[in-house]
Amino acid sequence: GAGVSQTPSNKVTEKGKYVELRCDPISGHTALYWYRQSLGQGPEFLIYFQGTGAADDSGLPNDRFFAVRPEGSVSTLKIQRTERGDSAVYLCASSEGGGVDTDTQYFGPGTRLTVL
Amino acid sequence: AQKVTQAQTEISVVEKEDVTLDCVYETRDTTYYLFWYKQPPSGELVFLIRRNSFDEQNEISGRYSWNFQKSTSSFNFTITASQVVDSAVYFCALSGTYKYIFGTGTRLKVLA
Repeated sequence: GAGVSQTPSNKVTEKGKYVELRCDPISGHTALYWYRQSLGQGPEFLIYFQGTGAADDSGLPNDRFFAVRPEGSVSTLKIQRTERGDSAVYLCASSEGGGVDTDTQYFGPGTRLTVL
Repeated sequence: AQKVTQAQTEISVVEKEDVTLDCVYETRDTTYYLFWYKQPPSGELVFLIRRNSFDEQNEISGRYSWNFQKSTSSFNFTITASQVVDSAVYFCALSGTYKYIFGTGTRLKVLA
């Protein structure tokens, strides 16, 4: 079946602009996650959705970052007033969700964001 | 706090050599999960294995094997008879709930 997809694959923007990054999870997965990966580092947790609600947004670096998942499927990560330090690869993952055990998360190819 | 350490930044081997990637973790949870992911140049993280803290059995899958030792808080990954296609960055991750904590990764270069 289809895996997690993310669009765009690359996004170049200017400092101060607004960007939206989209994630399509694996069909039927109720849990969705966003991570950010800086060069030479492992992914760092940003936010976790169970269904439509953000169950944990503790990883969002500041209030310029916001994410939504209005229908419990596709999610959009929104970044306002972008800064050069926001440049990174933004990874989305999904998992079956709803269980007691920790799920295995399946990752998309990421969106490489470059802020000039 | 939870932490994952992958001390090997980069490893180069010649094809057909065996190679072991080290992973050491820290957690106060009694129930936790460990994972390995492969990140080829395309960038997508590919799931390789998941282990829970109560299952210390080693696992073998083809040329891949994993050695989980709670006594040393390690979850090492061995590739036997490495191939050029194994070249990638490999990440070890730890999770007590839904939040994965990743190490900094080990870049493996397999030379023909």
